[in-house]
Amino acid sequence: DAGVIQSPRHEVTEMGQEVTLRCKPISGHNSLFWYRQTMMRGLELLIYFNNNVPIDDSGMPEDRFSAKMPNASFSTLKIQPSEPRDSAVYFCASSFRGLAFFGQGTRLTVV
Amino acid sequence: AQSVAQPEDQVNVAEGNPLTVKCTYSVSGNPYLFWYVQYPNRGLQFLLKYITGDNLVKGSYGFEAEFNKSQTSFHLKKPSALVSDSALYFCAVRDGGNFNKFYFGSGTKLNVKP
Repeated sequence: DAGVIQSPRHEVTEMGQEVTLRCKPISGHNSLFWYRQTMMRGLELLIYFNNNVPIDDSGMPEDRFSAKMPNASFSTLKIQPSEPRDSAVYFCASSFRGLAFFGQGTRLTVV
Repeated sequence: AQSVAQPEDQVNVAEGNPLTVKCTYSVSGNPYLFWYVQYPNRGLQFLLKYITGDNLVKGSYGFEAEFNKSQTSFHLKKPSALVSDSALYFCAVRDGGNFNKFYFGSGTKLNVKP
């Protein structure tokens, strides 16, 4: 298995633009997480899904952020409109039987 | 509520010396504890976990961690540090009730000098 796959690896966008981050979890994993990592705030859980259903989105910072998981093999995190303070590394992770595996992250820069 | 604390932002150790990265936890039920490592420009990688059983847990790359219930600690250790161990280390606890929700500490940067 190739592990958790995220795309793109790097994204640079202008303030106000829509950004979509993508994640393909490990096949057979029933939970998926989106995290954001910054120097100031460390690793923050944004949202997580269980069996494609959003369970806890209390970490989503604002209405500008939304996440979907239309099927077991794909999830997106969308920011619309983006702002410079959204610049961070966004990680997707999937888990099975309580062990989480992380993707390599998407480094987002909003200028 | 579940939480973990990593009291040290950074740990410096000389190559060949033993290392310890500290973690304390707070849980409302049985603790499910984890250590992850993050190398530059990479995602977090699983190192080891404690669910139940022996208090000393062995993991990848020669790392081990000691679960101490009375002190609510789960310190990461290695007898002899390598320069290649330099990375960011995260302690995590899994919510026993909400089975899949992980809570991560703030991370400790380990610097191993030759």
